[in-house]
Amino acid sequence: DAGVIQSPRHEVTEMGQEVTLRCKPISGHDYLFWYRQTMMRGLELLIYFNNNVPIDDSGMPEDRFSAKMPNASFSTLKIQPSEPRDSAVYFCASSPTNHEQYFGPGTRLTVT
Amino acid sequence: KNQVEQSPQSLIILEGKNCTLQCNYTVSPFSNLRWYKQDTGRGPVSLTIMTFSENTKSNGRYTATLDADTKQSSLHITASQLSDSASYICVVSGYSSASKIIFGSGTRLSIRP
Repeated sequence: DAGVIQSPRHEVTEMGQEVTLRCKPISGHDYLFWYRQTMMRGLELLIYFNNNVPIDDSGMPEDRFSAKMPNASFSTLKIQPSEPRDSAVYFCASSPTNHEQYFGPGTRLTVT
Repeated sequence: KNQVEQSPQSLIILEGKNCTLQCNYTVSPFSNLRWYKQDTGRGPVSLTIMTFSENTKSNGRYTATLDADTKQSSLHITASQLSDSASYICVVSGYSSASKIIFGSGTRLSIRP
């Protein structure tokens, strides 16, 4: 298996633009997680899905953030409109249970 | 308040030496504790995972210990190598809920030749 796949690996956009991050989890994993990592705050859990259903989105910072999982092999994290403080590395992780997690390579987002 | 504190924040040691990283937590009820290694520019990779009943687990030169009574864990690295240079993150999960996942801020380890 290729592991968790994220795209794009790097994204630079201007404030106010819409940003969509993509994730393909490991096949057969029932759980999918979206994280954000910054130097100031470290790793933060934004939202997680179980069998394509959002279970807990309490970590989503505000309404500008939304996540979907239309099927077991694909998820998106959307930011609209983007702001400079959204600049971070966004990780997607998948898991066969709700404990052991396998992280993707991350998407480095820069909002200018 | 659920917290995970790691120490030291950063550490520099010479290649071949041993080192120990610390993690203290207040997450309750406790489910499991994981140590991750994160190389610069990459996602975290799991090193060990321990539940309440386990007090030690090894993965090659990495050995993690857990004292659930004192809510402390350590990660010992033996005979360090240059490739061990990375951030090491302690992650504690609350019982039965993936959302109760608390991340430590990590220890940045640098191995010098």
